[in-house]
Amino acid sequence: SQKIEQNSEALNIQEGKTATLTCNYTNYSPAYLQWYRQDPGRGPVFLLLIRENEKEKRKERLKVTFDTTLKQSLFHITASQPADSATYLCALDMYYGNNRLAFGKGNQVVVIP
Amino acid sequence: NAGVTQTPKFRVLKTGQSMTLLCAQDMNHEYMYWYRQDPGMGLRLIHYSVGEGTTAKGEVPDGYNVSRLKKQNFLLGLESAAPSQTSVYFCASSYPRTSGNNEQFFGPGTRLTVL
Repeated sequence: SQKIEQNSEALNIQEGKTATLTCNYTNYSPAYLQWYRQDPGRGPVFLLLIRENEKEKRKERLKVTFDTTLKQSLFHITASQPADSATYLCALDMYYGNNRLAFGKGNQVVVIP
Repeated sequence: NAGVTQTPKFRVLKTGQSMTLLCAQDMNHEYMYWYRQDPGMGLRLIHYSVGEGTTAKGEVPDGYNVSRLKKQNFLLGLESAAPSQTSVYFCASSYPRTSGNNEQFFGPGTRLTVL
């Protein structure tokens, strides 16, 4: 089965800096990979999707890269703000043809003013 | 649009009691999912449905049953609750994988405690 690794330690970062999160996976490369944001006591919210034939995707201050050779995705938040403080989840398509996703455990980001 | 809603928000059960969690979505999504989220475990898929009248097992289906009698509703049942089912339950919905819009929309969650 697919194993997904995200850093279990919280990332503390100064406001204005770039936060970078890593998502590593084993076994097969998914057709696409998604990133979600989760705030305490709330459900995850979709942020970005990147497909296997795309190297990079951007949305406002967010950037995602996808390296199928390294089996890794990087998630960047540029010019970070305290409002960016949350847990970020990586999710992989499971190739079952029914849109099932395998989620990582998430990586917490704390932006310090 | 309300998106995905879940009922109830909180519930405390005693071991052996039964309950049903209700999920509703107003986005006309074909697919619906039930997940549980536990500390240090991440989101795990319990059951899912690819259309009205269909259900299938996910990663951790034991102790749960589901029904999808209407397209907009997906029910999760616990017939005999156990302390191991203490968790936060999330419902989600999406379009089919082939649609190209693969994001899942999540509800606010139900926090369940089994004593």
